Amino acid sequence: DSGVTQTPKHLITATGQRVTLRCSPRSGDLSVYWYQQSLDQGLQFLIQYYNGEERAKGNILERFSAQQFPDLHSELNLSSLELGDSALYFCASSVGGRREIDTQYFGPGTRLTVL
Amino acid sequence: AQSVTQLDSHVSVSEGTPVLLRCNYSSSYSPSLFWYVQHPNKGLQLLLKYTSAATLVKGINGFEAEFKKSETSFHLTKPSAHMSDAAEYFCVVRSGGGADGLTFGKGTHLIIQP
Repeated sequence: DSGVTQTPKHLITATGQRVTLRCSPRSGDLSVYWYQQSLDQGLQFLIQYYNGEERAKGNILERFSAQQFPDLHSELNLSSLELGDSALYFCASSVGGRREIDTQYFGPGTRLTVL
Repeated sequence: AQSVTQLDSHVSVSEGTPVLLRCNYSSSYSPSLFWYVQHPNKGLQLLLKYTSAATLVKGINGFEAEFKKSETSFHLTKPSAHMSDAAEYFCVVRSGGGADGLTFGKGTHLIIQP
């Protein structure tokens, strides 16, 4: 158990809908990262937040957005869902900052199925 | 920009024989390199990491990896495979240029034959 929690574990929804995925980082970690794992694209970095502020963006679509709240939990919002958004979404957390030894610990993931 | 190439999509070994999973990286900066493992229907677990200290890195479950700058490689090895090692293995790079997101290789599926 990494200490990172994600809810829900599974989510089934329809095209055009909007969903919210939630992540609670390990105690003491200030950085939260979101990743998408799909069969065709593999594992891709989406976005990072550090202590409530956006720090880095990866291959995140404009239909997707995220935020990190004062209690450091994070939410990933996916809107106007398409079939191709079906994937496993991972959250990871780390202590944060620019330390070389910073390690990211991954949650169990949320499996999103868009029908 | 950073990237990783895992040279084998599938590797099959017999239980008790050595494991070698190959990874080459490309990075504009001095990289931090990781190996993560993903068991079926599970999340990602860190096996080991290289962060410019010793070039031979020991990880969990008997795995180790050697950083070779001249070859831009970070191959993962284990002397003796166990059935429980069957999983997907990802070589990962994090560049030190301020970009904190990890770049993953496409993964190597390790199969252990009894």
